[in-house]
Amino acid sequence: DIQMTQSPSSLSASVGDRVTITCRTSQSASIYLNWYQQKPGKAPNLLIYAASSLQSGVPSRFSGSGSGTDFTLTISGLQPEDFATYYCQQSYSAPLTFGGGTKVEIK
Amino acid sequence: EVQLVESGGGLVQPGGSLRLSCAASGFTFGNYWMTWLRQAPGKGLEGVASIKRDGSEKYYVDSVKGRFTISRDNAKNSVYLQMNNLRAEDTAVYYCAKWRGLQSEFDLWGQGTLVTVSS
Repeated sequence: DIQMTQSPSSLSASVGDRVTITCRTSQSASIYLNWYQQKPGKAPNLLIYAASSLQSGVPSRFSGSGSGTDFTLTISGLQPEDFATYYCQQSYSAPLTFGGGTKVEIK
Repeated sequence: EVQLVESGGGLVQPGGSLRLSCAASGFTFGNYWMTWLRQAPGKGLEGVASIKRDGSEKYYVDSVKGRFTISRDNAKNSVYLQMNNLRAEDTAVYYCAKWRGLQSEFDLWGQGTLVTVSS
């Protein structure tokens, strides 16, 4: 199984900040790494797929990069609606696995 | 409207059974793999079971093998999760989600249904 290590587990940031979340896989996931945003009481929502492709309807302040074992989600100019928990997920091989999540809180 | 709607959750005693349903609309259901995922209270996400477009392949996380069964009815645009011999650790919100299979992404999720296993 591919293990996922997501960091940090939480962070505090201000509106307008640039925020970076990292995800490392225990073996290569090629480019098959996805990012989701989840708000309390809601289902996850796809932000980025295949490491760097922006899902339709997602604001362009969200971007993803990386390949192999190291991946990054960047939010450029944090907005009030971005305070949420973010998860990475590899779809390269079964079983599908998720990172532990990063909670982005208001500073 | 493109959506997935889960139902069937509730309170059940340890050792009991539940059947979850997920109704799809707004897309060609038979063209997609479907997956059940879950999230225990305050915890992260876990894939539970997946089923191929025509039902010919099914995959389960180790912790539910032999207890849970995923199925689908493409004529009814629905996917199901039969859960038997439930344990306290199965307590979670269960989501259904659509995807195109390995090396793709979950691009549509349902709102979730809560399963609580407790005496």
